This record gives sequence, structure tokens and C-alpha cells, in this order.
Amino acid sequence: EVQLVQSGAEVKEPGESLKISCKGSGYSFSSYWIGWVRQMPGKALEWMGIVYPGDSNTIYSPSFQGQVTISADRSISTAYLQWSSLKASDTAVYYCARRRLGLFEYWGQGTQVTVFS
Amino acid sequence: QSALTQPPSASGSPGQSVTISCTGTSSDVGGSNFVSWYQQHPGKAPKLMIYEVSKRPSGVPDRFSGSKSGNTASLTVSGLQTEDEADYYCSSYAGSNTYVFGTGTKVTVL
Repeated sequence: EVQLVQSGAEVKEPGESLKISCKGSGYSFSSYWIGWVRQMPGKALEWMGIVYPGDSNTIYSPSFQGQVTISADRSISTAYLQWSSLKASDTAVYYCARRRLGLFEYWGQGTQVTVFS
Repeated sequence: QSALTQPPSASGSPGQSVTISCTGTSSDVGGSNFVSWYQQHPGKAPKLMIYEVSKRPSGVPDRFSGSKSGNTASLTVSGLQTEDEADYYCSSYAGSNTYVFGTGTKVTVL
């Protein structure tokens, strides 16, 4: 059974750094792109970018380029989303999802990130 | 890379049909057969309902169907049931390994 399990909720202050994770199981992790999706409170889904764990190739949405870093460690079947300096506007639920062809087939449960001073 | 445009809301009585539109451009919806639809219940992760414009994953009821004409894709839910009340998002491949989601539509079962 394919599963994506994300790390738990985080509460941070502005300016802090953060790295959240998404661990895949039940399939060959290196062979499928993993995408990250943001959902701000009460708002729509937003595609942030994707990473191919096989060679760490990463593509960013122009809206998120330079704002976050997406990476993967295939040795532990885990993808990451990180910030170097959080802002209050980063408060959102972040989902990882496995891409197959042109769709996101399997989703993680989501990670709530709350940033406030 | 702008979000695809969906109506904010749609509604229907149990047993009726509702159709949601998703309008993009020739760079995304109009130029790709990789259009998919996701259902999201409050507090839950999105669930894939339609992929490649009109295909249904295993386990998705055949009450859900998809189509596309030009730069606009559509999702139709026939025979509405109370459990269909949720937010629905379209998504399209937008070239160069990038994707875009729609603005989302809240479906209410009256």
C-alpha cells in the first residue's frame, strides 16, 4: 500500500527556520516525483514545486522560487520542504503528493505550519 | 502562472446533477490532456477523482465524470449525494514539469 506520512504540526516565530518531511512507503520512492502543495487558511490549493528523488532534480513554481527549498533523500525515502526565515504569511497546511504522469495520485495527511510572534 | 478559474460555489438537491467549470489558457488546460480533479472534505487531504480529463481512478463512483472543450474543463457530478458536499479543485499540467490548480468550488447539497 502506497503511503505518504508527513511530519507533525509546527509552531514557529517569524524569522525561524523550518524543515518538514514526507516519508514514502509501499513503492519505489526513487522512481516517482513528489510534489508540495500549500493551502493557506480558507484558501485554494497552490502548487509549489516537485522533486525527483532518483536524481534530486527539482522544479519550482515561479511563485515559490527562492522562498522555499524542496529536496529529497532517497536513502530514507523522504522528501523535504524547508524555509530559512519564516514569515507570518507562511502559515498554512502543506501537503506532499506523489506524481504519476500528469496527476497527483497519493497525498500525505498534511502538515500545519503556524507562524506567529 | 495564474490559477485556473472556477466558480466559487455550486449546489444541487440530492439526485440532481451539478457541473463545475475550470477555465485556463492554451498553455495549460487547452494544451494538455493532463487535467485532473480533486475532492477535499474539511480538514482532509485532497482526493483524486478524475485524471487525464475524463478517467476515473478505481473506487471513484461513475457519478463523477469529466470533459474538456478548448481552454475549459468540466466536472459533472450526477445523482448528487450528501457525501459529495465538499470543495473541488481542478489541476492542469502547465508545461516544463509545472502544474497549476484551480481557485476551487464549494459544492453544497441542498
